[in-house]
Amino acid sequence: DVVMTQTPVSLSVAIGQPASISCKSSQSLVGTSGKTYLNWLLQRPGQSPKRLIYLVSKLDSGIPDRFSGSGSETDFTLKISRVEADDLGVYYCLQGTHFPYTFGAGTKLELK
Amino acid sequence: QVQLKESGPGLVQPSQTLSLTCTVSGFSLMDYSVHWVRQPPGKGLEWMGRMKYDGDTYYNSALKSRLSISRDTSKSQVFLKMNSLQTEDTAIYYCTGGTTAHYWGQGVMVTVSS
Repeated sequence: DVVMTQTPVSLSVAIGQPASISCKSSQSLVGTSGKTYLNWLLQRPGQSPKRLIYLVSKLDSGIPDRFSGSGSETDFTLKISRVEADDLGVYYCLQGTHFPYTFGAGTKLELK
Repeated sequence: QVQLKESGPGLVQPSQTLSLTCTVSGFSLMDYSVHWVRQPPGKGLEWMGRMKYDGDTYYNSALKSRLSISRDTSKSQVFLKMNSLQTEDTAIYYCTGGTTAHYWGQGVMVTVSS
């Protein structure tokens, strides 16, 4: 199975400051189609996860452009340019290239 | 408007079988896949398996011997059955559909206890 290693485990950020989360996979996430099926999700407290980004860098509808995704092959990053209170929760990366799909262990974003 | 809704028993006895239903609206099960994901209390997310739009299934190898996913396209429902439940199977069970992880249900809490 593909292991998704997310860092840091937790992140304390002041409102208005940037944040960055890393996700590294144990093998390349480039699929046979040439596409890279790497997603980022946010789970706010008491809620279901919500997808923010798919195919490494494509923002889902309604997601503010403060969020951005980048990376390739095995190394991926989620960046928030200016953290807002609504961004708090646990962020997960999810690979959908290889079965079984696998999630990172999560990064908890808290307010400083 | 896409919606997914999980339903099933909140309490299951050890060694028994869990049966859950995911009812979908806003898209056809013949156009998009539906996946099952679970989350033990206070822990992370675990992908369990997938019902593909063409009826093909794929399961997490760790659960494969106990897990079965099926569907009824006429009712827009996807079913999960998992046998030999143990306390460590206590979790919130989610169904998710559309393109990978796009839309999520609200989840159903399943407790395995006697």
